[in-house]
Amino acid sequence: EPEVTQTPSHQVTQMGQEVILRCVPISNHLYFYWYRQILGQKVEFLVSFYNNEISEKSEIFDDQFSVERPDGSNFTLKIRSTKLEDSAMYFCASSAYRDTEAFFGQGTRLTVV
Amino acid sequence: GENVEQHPSTLSVQEGDSAVIKCTYSDSASNYFPWYKQELGKGPQLIIDIRSNVGEKKDQRIAVTLNKTAKHFSLHITETQPEDSAVYFCAASIRYSGAGSYQLTFGKGTKLSVIP
Repeated sequence: EPEVTQTPSHQVTQMGQEVILRCVPISNHLYFYWYRQILGQKVEFLVSFYNNEISEKSEIFDDQFSVERPDGSNFTLKIRSTKLEDSAMYFCASSAYRDTEAFFGQGTRLTVV
Repeated sequence: GENVEQHPSTLSVQEGDSAVIKCTYSDSASNYFPWYKQELGKGPQLIIDIRSNVGEKKDQRIAVTLNKTAKHFSLHITETQPEDSAVYFCAASIRYSGAGSYQLTFGKGTKLSVIP
C-alpha cells in the first residue's frame, strides 16, 4: 500500500540552527501538507502546498518556516533558526485532490536543545 | 477560526464493550469530519469520515454520528478488541469540491485502552 514517508524519524538540533525535514508524498498525489504536534497538545496545521506554491498557511507558519518541492518527489519543511518552542512532532501529509483523504506520514520528532 | 474540543482524553474499556468518543466544533461552516487513529510510532490514519449532509455513517464496528444543530459528532466503536488500543483524533474542515479550506482542525486526542 502506498504511504507517505518522512526522514529522519528523530532530529536533535541546537537552538538557532537550521533544520530541514523531508517527506516523500504518495506518488500520484497533488496536495501536500505539514502539521505539527507539540507534546501533549493538538495536531496543528502549518501549511498546504499545491502546484508548486503555498495554498494556505496558519499563523504558526511565519518567516522562519519555508516549504519546497525541490525535485518532484520530495517535499521539505525548513526551519531557518530553530527555537526551543519548535520542539514537536512534525507530520507530512498528502492527498490526491483537495477534498479527498489526507494520508499522514509517521512523523519526525524534532528536539531543539 | 475553528476550534475542536474532544472528550475524554483517556478511556479504558473491557474487551468486547463499546467505546464512545465525543467532539464539538465551533464553526457552523465546517462540513467534513474525519476520525484518525494513531498507533505508537505511526502517523494518524483515517478510519472513518462523515460529511454534513448525513447524520450517521457506519463501517463494520465503527460508526460516526453528527448533530449539526448542536455542533457535535461522536465516534462509536463496538465489540472493542485489544488492537483498537490507540490514540483517536477527531477533526473538522470546510470542504467543497474545488473550494474550501485545506486545513484540518484537530481535537486533542483520546487515548483508548482496551483491556483483554
